[in-house]
This record gives sequence, structure tokens and C-alpha cells, in this order.
Amino acid sequence: AQTVTQSQPEMSVQEAETVTLSCTYDTSENNYYLFWYKQPPSRQMILVIRQEAYKQQNATENRFSVNFQKAAKSFSLKISDSQLGDTAMYFCAFPHRRSNSGYALNFGKGTSLLVTP
Amino acid sequence: GAGVSQSPRYKVAKRGQDVALRCDPISGHVSLFWYQQALGQGPEFLTYFQNEAQLDKSGLPSDRFFAERPEGSVSTLKIQRTQQEDSAVYLCASSPRLAGYNEQFFGPGTRLTVL
Repeated sequence: AQTVTQSQPEMSVQEAETVTLSCTYDTSENNYYLFWYKQPPSRQMILVIRQEAYKQQNATENRFSVNFQKAAKSFSLKISDSQLGDTAMYFCAFPHRRSNSGYALNFGKGTSLLVTP
Repeated sequence: GAGVSQSPRYKVAKRGQDVALRCDPISGHVSLFWYQQALGQGPEFLTYFQNEAQLDKSGLPSDRFFAERPEGSVSTLKIQRTQQEDSAVYLCASSPRLAGYNEQFFGPGTRLTVL
């Protein structure tokens, strides 16, 4: 089974501070992508950042960066200089190969992040 | 360009009614996915289309659920004889690549409430 685990149901951080959201996953594949998606209260799921497993360098997108530890199957998201607009549910996702077809995303249960003034 | 759109955004149905949920993917995207998101949970896979072909429907929870994408663009998810456990947000996602291995672009979802 290919699972995604987010062990922090809720987190809170003050504006301008840094927060790290954790994610672990299980797979037998060697080459794959990992994603962090953000889902604000309006519900539209938006891609935050993507990591390709064969790349050793951690992905970075402005204030968002990942700490990808392939051997440990760990994929954490760091948000620097947190802003009020970062308040949302954050989902870690992993493309799971379906039989005889394509890949569907396996999502973790999510971490609800609240950024406070 | 326009993103993935879904309609209606909200749907209230009485138990036993049939509902139809529409998804307009990004133009040119070959892969289309439907996910079901229960309250407080991550989305779970329902079904996958590559162009007009439904290649995987193993995530559909029962034979009351039916999806189609007849011309390889717009897709409809139909739920017959709705039950209370069908209450959820239904998300549609599309991807420009075959198999959806890369990024998937999500619509805003349809929140279905079955009374």
C-alpha cells in the first residue's frame, strides 16, 4: 500500500514566523513526484510546491521550501515569513499508480495551519 | 487562461434523488480525475479519464456512481438514489499529461449535502 501520513492535524504560527509541516510516505517506486497542496477556506486546491524524487536538491518556491529525505521517505514543508493568507489546510500528496492506467494522487489527512497576527 | 470549473458549487438533495455534477477541465488537458473529500479529510480518488476513455473507476464507492466524458472535455459525475453518506465535496482535477503523473489542477469543488 502506498500511504501518506501527516501527523499534525493542526498548527498555529504567528505572522512573520517560520513553521514546518511534516509528511511521511510509503512507496516501492524509485522515481516519483511529491506535492504540497494548499486548500484555503474557499476550497480551491492550489499547488504550493513540487519535488522530483531523483533530484537531490530541495525544491524552493519563494517563501516555501521542502526538506526531502528520500531514504527516510520524509517530505516536510517549511513556510518562512508566514502571512495571514497562508491560513489554510495543507495536504501532502503522492502520485499512486493505478492498475492499467494512470496516476491518482494519494493525499494525507491534512494539516490545518492558522497564522495569527 | 481559465482554470478548472465545476457546477453547481453547492447542491442539496433529498435522500433518493439523483444528482449530476459537472466539470469543465482546462482546455487541452487529456487527463481528468474525480475525487471525493469528506469533511476534515483529504480527497480520495474516484475515477480517471484519459480523453474520453474511463480507464479506472475502481474508486467509485457503489454502482450508484457513474461518470462520463463523452467528447474528451467536459465530464459529468452522476449519483443515483443519493444517500446521506454521499454528502461530501466532489473535486475534479485535470492534467495536461497522460496518466496525471505530474501536477493536477483542481476545480473549486461541488459541496453535496444529502438530507
